[in-house]
Amino acid sequence: NFMLTQPHSVSESPGKTVTISCTGSSGSIASNYVQWYQQRPGSAPTTVIYEDNQRPSGVPDRFSGSIDSSSNSASLTISGLKTEDEADYYCQSYDSSNRGVFGGGTKLTVL
Amino acid sequence: EVQLVQSGAEVKKPGESLKISCKGSGYSFTSYWIGWVRQMPGKGLEWMGIIYPGDSDTRYSPSFQGQVTISADKSISTAYLQWSSLKASDTAMYYCARLSYGGAMFDYWGQGTLVTVSS
Repeated sequence: NFMLTQPHSVSESPGKTVTISCTGSSGSIASNYVQWYQQRPGSAPTTVIYEDNQRPSGVPDRFSGSIDSSSNSASLTISGLKTEDEADYYCQSYDSSNRGVFGGGTKLTVL
Repeated sequence: EVQLVQSGAEVKKPGESLKISCKGSGYSFTSYWIGWVRQMPGKGLEWMGIIYPGDSDTRYSPSFQGQVTISADKSISTAYLQWSSLKASDTAMYYCARLSYGGAMFDYWGQGTLVTVSS
């Protein structure tokens, strides 16, 4: 079964830049689009990146996404960290049968 | 305005059946896939499956195939998630969400339905 692996947690100071990785277990992560969702406690998820590197309207350009085929990984980078960015972040893509798969999630602490 | 409004929280006993709902408004309900996502207490998001209300084409994640039933009634713009025999391990928050046109991301989410299964 296709899996996406994320670090359990990351932390960084306000104003700094943090990158969260998402590694595919098999196949090429570049074969299907990767999305990134932000979830704050007690709330439904919202999209911060879709189709590998696209930002929905309203998402600040501090958020960016990329794909690295050499490591079979996707990355979410947040620059100019703000305390409001503290949340859980999930990558999501599709397996070879077009079934959706989420990564395990990464807890971002901004301290 | 696109909205997905889910039914309220449920408390059930093991072995009971349950059907929760997700009503779409503000867009053409039959033209977008609707998905269901599980989040167990303190855990991550899990993709359960999706349905295209236009023709009821349904696709399940292997982990949920045979465990739940996803359906839709396009006449009332509502999607459903159903269990025939609940287990304690079904205790979770369940979200419905709309797949964007083209189908890569969930662009609108319901508020979630908390299902608690306890004897």
